Amino acid sequence: QTVVTQEPSFSVSPGGTVTLTCGLSSGSVSTSYYPSWYQQTPGQPPRTLIYSTNTRSSGVPDRFSGSILGNKAALTITGAQADDECDYYCVLYMGRGISVFGGGTKLTVL
Amino acid sequence: EVQLVESGGGLVQPGGSLRLSCAASGFTFSRCAMSWVRQAPGKGLEWVSSISSDSGSTYYADSVKGRFTISRDNSRNTLYLQVNSLRAEDTAVYYCAKRGYCGSGTFYHFDYWGQGTLVTVSS
Repeated sequence: QTVVTQEPSFSVSPGGTVTLTCGLSSGSVSTSYYPSWYQQTPGQPPRTLIYSTNTRSSGVPDRFSGSILGNKAALTITGAQADDECDYYCVLYMGRGISVFGGGTKLTVL
Repeated sequence: EVQLVESGGGLVQPGGSLRLSCAASGFTFSRCAMSWVRQAPGKGLEWVSSISSDSGSTYYADSVKGRFTISRDNSRNTLYLQVNSLRAEDTAVYYCAKRGYCGSGTFYHFDYWGQGTLVTVSS
């Protein structure tokens, strides 16, 4: 059973930089997993931020960036703003049509 | 503008069935793979099922395999999810999602999402 791991919660100061990570319970994340990142505010559907590791979706500000850091995928938010406070999910593509979501990270901006 | 509008959710008893629909517009539906993703109340997102553009390939999460069936009608620009043998743990908002890289046959990411339809399984 593949488990995709994310920090349950994280906090950042307004204007600060934060890096959220996305790992595997067993093994390393690489670009071959086509990591993608999604933002969700309460009561709303997810919004696609990043796909294929580091490609920003249309309309996403360049404060959001994706990368591979060590053995994990990473989402970095620079110049954090109050409305960045929400949940962030990563997805890894496992092949054979199967996608696995991480448990999500609740980001607090304070 | 891409639009995905889900319908068909509601209250159903354990063991019951529903058919969820997702009406798509604003893109060439017949070229794009599609998926269903769900979110139980207060919980995270869970991939449920995907279907290729031509319906030739379908994929399911282990948690729904054998109970849920994904399908599509490209002439009606509509995606479906038949959900049978429902359990309490199937209670969730079900989102329709368009897969990126239309025409490539890949399922790497989701790029657009509907607003979701709520399925509640309770007696």
